[in-house]
Amino acid sequence: TQLLEQSPQFLSIQEGENLTVYCNSSSVFSSLQWYRQEPGEGPVLLVTVVTGGEVKKLKRLTFQFGDARKDSSLHITAAQPGDTGLYLCAGEPGAGSYQLTFGKGTKLSVIP
Amino acid sequence: NAGVMQNPRHLVRRRGQEARLRCSPMKGHSHVYWYRQLPEEGLKFMVYLQKENIIDESGMPKERFSAEFPKEGPSILRIQQVVRGDSAAYFCASTLGPPEYEQYFGPGTRLTVT
Repeated sequence: TQLLEQSPQFLSIQEGENLTVYCNSSSVFSSLQWYRQEPGEGPVLLVTVVTGGEVKKLKRLTFQFGDARKDSSLHITAAQPGDTGLYLCAGEPGAGSYQLTFGKGTKLSVIP
Repeated sequence: NAGVMQNPRHLVRRRGQEARLRCSPMKGHSHVYWYRQLPEEGLKFMVYLQKENIIDESGMPKERFSAEFPKEGPSILRIQQVVRGDSAAYFCASTLGPPEYEQYFGPGTRLTVT
């Protein structure tokens, strides 16, 4: 069974600070996706990373896929209250399986 | 959430009743996935369907749970004789189809069993 561990589980920071959240596994994934989920809503796809070492930027968010495709990180620069939410990573194992394996998420709170 | 629709958004059932959850995929998408999210847990895969076919139901309990995706109409996740442990948020996601790997999620149905 493939597992994704996300850390930290909770993060509370002041507006304007930078932060990094992590998604780690002992398994290799063919791709990895990051989602943000608001309370009472479904996950919204932020980015998909496919290639080992890949870095993608989405405004103030920077996503990196580890060289071995086992881990990923999300870095937010100058966090804003609108960034508050649950950040989920999900890995696709490949090899004909399209079941996404989700981490439990990092709950981010950005205080004005 | 890019057009995936789920209804109802909230569903309350007494123990022993049946729950029917509906999912209409994004326009043009013919592949649907169902996931369950328990409190303080990550989303867990349940079943993957294409039109009129169940492709992978390895994450779905063998008893009381069934899913379908008919040629016409939404995908249905059916839970018979619900128990308190079935209380959770149920999400569906849709894709154009493999190898299109980006899954787009609906807003979910929150099932409460009393």
